[in-house]
Amino acid sequence: GNSVTQMEGPVTLSEEAFLTINCTYTATGYPSLFWYVQYPGEGLQLLLKATKADDKGSNKGFEATYRKETTSFHLEKGSVQVSDSAVYFCALSDRQQTSYDKVIFGPGTSLSVIP
Amino acid sequence: KAGVTQTPRYLIKTRGQQVTLSCSPISGHRSVSWYQQTPGQGLQFLFEYFSETQRNKGNFPGRFSGRQFSNSRSEMNVSTLELGDSALYLCASSPGDGIAKNIQYFGAGTRLSVL
Repeated sequence: GNSVTQMEGPVTLSEEAFLTINCTYTATGYPSLFWYVQYPGEGLQLLLKATKADDKGSNKGFEATYRKETTSFHLEKGSVQVSDSAVYFCALSDRQQTSYDKVIFGPGTSLSVIP
Repeated sequence: KAGVTQTPRYLIKTRGQQVTLSCSPISGHRSVSWYQQTPGQGLQFLFEYFSETQRNKGNFPGRFSGRQFSNSRSEMNVSTLELGDSALYLCASSPGDGIAKNIQYFGAGTRLSVL
């Protein structure tokens, strides 16, 4: 079945450091890929998405590229801020039009950015 | 447009009791999914409703049940509560069909504590 694996934290970085959170997936079809972020005390919110191979999703300085050859969707940011401290979830959903496959989330990676 | 609303935000119950949680999706969204989030197990999928029908279910015991009304509002019920049911319960709505069918919008969650 479909699954998502991501690096487990916690990850601690200094402000302005470069961030990479690895995410790999297993899927039988052609999934859409997502990164969600959860700030303390809140629900998850969509950070970025990519729907086909080689697509790059980007938002708020974060980027991730859909790599079908390596089944990966790594999240990157060139310079993190304290306000980026949160839990990041990689997720996939199957894009088949005739049926619905539930969204599958990775275990989440906790990021702490220190001043 | 109003976001996803979950009520109540906090709940304290004792073992053996039952509880009902409520979720009002974004207007126009027909799909509602429920998740349980705990520090140890992460984000686990409970079930998903679309147009009043359950179309996906996770691996939870029958004590966990849900329903969806004609206005897309959804309720989740847990009977015979156990200590291990203490968690943050998240509701997410999505259009359910169309191009953005799998983009989920989360509520802030209901924090359930079982004593």
